[in-house]
Amino acid sequence: AQSVTQPDIHITVSEGASLELRCNYSYGATPYLFWYVQSPGQGLQLLLKYFSGDTLVQGIKGFEAEFKRSQSSFNLRKPSVHWSDAAEYFCAVGEGNEKLTFGTGTRLTIIP
Amino acid sequence: NAGVTQTPKFQVLKTGQSMTLQCAQDMNHEYMSWYRQDPGMGLRLIHYSVGAGITDQGEVPNGYNVSRSTTEDFPLRLLSAAPSQTSVYFCASSYSSPGRGQPQHFGDGTRLSIL
Repeated sequence: AQSVTQPDIHITVSEGASLELRCNYSYGATPYLFWYVQSPGQGLQLLLKYFSGDTLVQGIKGFEAEFKRSQSSFNLRKPSVHWSDAAEYFCAVGEGNEKLTFGTGTRLTIIP
Repeated sequence: NAGVTQTPKFQVLKTGQSMTLQCAQDMNHEYMSWYRQDPGMGLRLIHYSVGAGITDQGEVPNGYNVSRSTTEDFPLRLLSAAPSQTSVYFCASSYSSPGRGQPQHFGDGTRLSIL
C-alpha cells in the first residue's frame, strides 16, 4: 500500500522568507501527487497537482512543487511567504485506484 | 455555487446515541468520500462512493455506515457513538476517483464530540 510521509510536524518561518515543505511517498510507479492547504476551521483546498510531464508544477497563491522520482519526493516551495499562508499543509498520493492517501500534515506558522 | 455542504457544523453526542452527518454536493460529481481528521494523523478515509448505489470501505470504516441513493447526497451514519469517534469529519467530492488524479472539493467539516 502507498504511504506518504511529511517529516515536519510544525514549521515556523518569518514573513518574506522562503519556504519548503517536505513530502516523501512510497510507490513503485509514478503516482498522482497533490498538495492541499487547510486554513483554521475550514476544509481543504487544492494548491497544485502532478500527474506526468514537467516535474516542476505551479499552483495557486504563488506555490510550486517539484517531483523528484529518484528521491520519491514532492516538496512544496514558495519564494516569499505572507502572513496569510499560515495554515496546515497536506501532501496526498493516488496510486491509480479509488483511494487517496494523505500525509499527517505540516502546520506552518508565520512570524512578523 | 454552494460546492460541498456539510451539516451540522458542530454536534455533541452521548455515548451510544446515533446520528447522521449530512453531505450534499451540487457539482454532479460521481465520486464522494468521508474522511476523519484527528491530531497528528492527517485525514483517514472512512467510506467512499464511485456513484449512486455504489459504496465501499476505506481505511477506518468500523462504526460507520453510508448509502448513496442520489448523486448529490452521501450521508454518514454513526449507529452507536463511541468516544473514539470524537473527530472532525470532512466530506469531499470529485468528478471521478482522486486516486486516479482528480482533485477533490471539500466541505467545511463537522466537529463531533462524543461524551
